[in-house]
Amino acid sequence: RKEVEQDPGPFNVPEGATVAFNCTYSNSASQSFFWYRQDCRKEPKLLMSVYSSGNEDGRFTAQLNRASQYISLLIRDSKLSDSATYLCVVITWSNTGNQFYFGTGTSLTVIP
Amino acid sequence: DTAVSQTPKYLVTQMGNDKSIKCEQNLGHDTMYWYKQDSKKFLKIMFSYNNKELIINETVPNRFSPKSPDKAHLNLHINSLELGDSAVYFCASSQSVRRIGNRYGYTFGSGTRLTVV
Repeated sequence: RKEVEQDPGPFNVPEGATVAFNCTYSNSASQSFFWYRQDCRKEPKLLMSVYSSGNEDGRFTAQLNRASQYISLLIRDSKLSDSATYLCVVITWSNTGNQFYFGTGTSLTVIP
Repeated sequence: DTAVSQTPKYLVTQMGNDKSIKCEQNLGHDTMYWYKQDSKKFLKIMFSYNNKELIINETVPNRFSPKSPDKAHLNLHINSLELGDSAVYFCASSQSVRRIGNRYGYTFGSGTRLTVV
């Protein structure tokens, strides 16, 4: 079983729509979670951390559900500029230190 | 100031050649990584060094050899290049993987697009 699983999409949504992505992780001991954004032909960049109580950054809301072992990203009022691939990242402790596991990414296209 | 810089940005080479990609970070991070992203966009870890010590060595052909002369540099040398090596290679760095917390500052370089012909 993969450490991190994401629906690859693609998600095609109209401008102004609300869209949500989920990401499941297999190790209940995972302790830190992030969402990264990757634009076409660019490197992944940190979008936001995911905190246990949930956190918001403008139109973006990240949530963590430890019981069901998933994290989510909600984007409200989608803009054309939100079109990108969104990768979830899960950090799990191992005997060599923290291991960073990247999901395969979910592709989002916002349509005018 | 570029935080994680990779060179070259583009590399086109013939099968069988040997090539190197260089990576440098000025963030003061202890850990550096090499990832391969193929045409399906899956980001796959190849190697990780923590303070010049190899800590992750995934199942990668031994034609790929990383070298970390110091904690700010991690280079990747590839021998006998094959068509299947064509991909984008990303270098990344972060705070030490041995610390616990939520602030790793995981940062990627802009990638090296390798095309083997």
